[in-house]
Amino acid sequence: EVQLVVSGGGLVQPGGSLRLSCVGSGFSFTSYWMNWVRQAPGKGLEWVANIKPAGSERYYVDSVKGRFTISRDDAKSSLYLQMSSLRAEDTAVYFCARSNCVRAVTASNGVVCKMDVWGQGTTVTVSS
Amino acid sequence: DIQMTQSPSSLSASVGDRVTITCRASQSVSTNLNWYQQKGGKAPKLLIYAASSLQSGVPSRFSGSGSGTDFTLTISSLQPEDFATYYCQQSYSASYTFGQGTKLEIK
Repeated sequence: EVQLVVSGGGLVQPGGSLRLSCVGSGFSFTSYWMNWVRQAPGKGLEWVANIKPAGSERYYVDSVKGRFTISRDDAKSSLYLQMSSLRAEDTAVYFCARSNCVRAVTASNGVVCKMDVWGQGTTVTVSS
Repeated sequence: DIQMTQSPSSLSASVGDRVTITCRASQSVSTNLNWYQQKGGKAPKLLIYAASSLQSGVPSRFSGSGSGTDFTLTISSLQPEDFATYYCQQSYSASYTFGQGTKLEIK
């Protein structure tokens, strides 16, 4: 079974740090871009960061640049999100998701990436 | 950054209705546009990718169309299990963005 299992959430004080983990199984983890997506209470989905296989490229939403670091250990089929200088507005459920890039003749460069496998989410609460 | 705007933000409909949700991008995203369904804060489910391709296992009552900046998600005949929140998402840029969501409620 293809799955992603997320862990590491919890309660942290403003300014603190936390590390989230996401372990993949049932697929070749090394072949896929991986993402973190979050959802604040009562709000919509917000893409946070992604990372290319082997970690050679990484992208972040502006609001977390300089505070969050996405990384991966392909030997362990694991994705991480190191979060520091946490703020109340970082309070959210954090999901990891696989980007499956497939051929699509009408898409830019003939490839479209879709987040087709998701972890269950872990809750991060930033509060004093 | 590419901004995605969905309309409406919420929608009331009845079982059996045909429903259309619109998504507009702030610049062309070609057909690098995906649609997701989310229920009750659980992990989103991919419905449509590349603007109009149905993800495996998704019922055929779901369809998508559009290219460039304007896209639509259509549910041809609403079923009780379709009441949920729907999101569009662009993957044209490596920095992905989602629309703000459309909550579909029972009338």
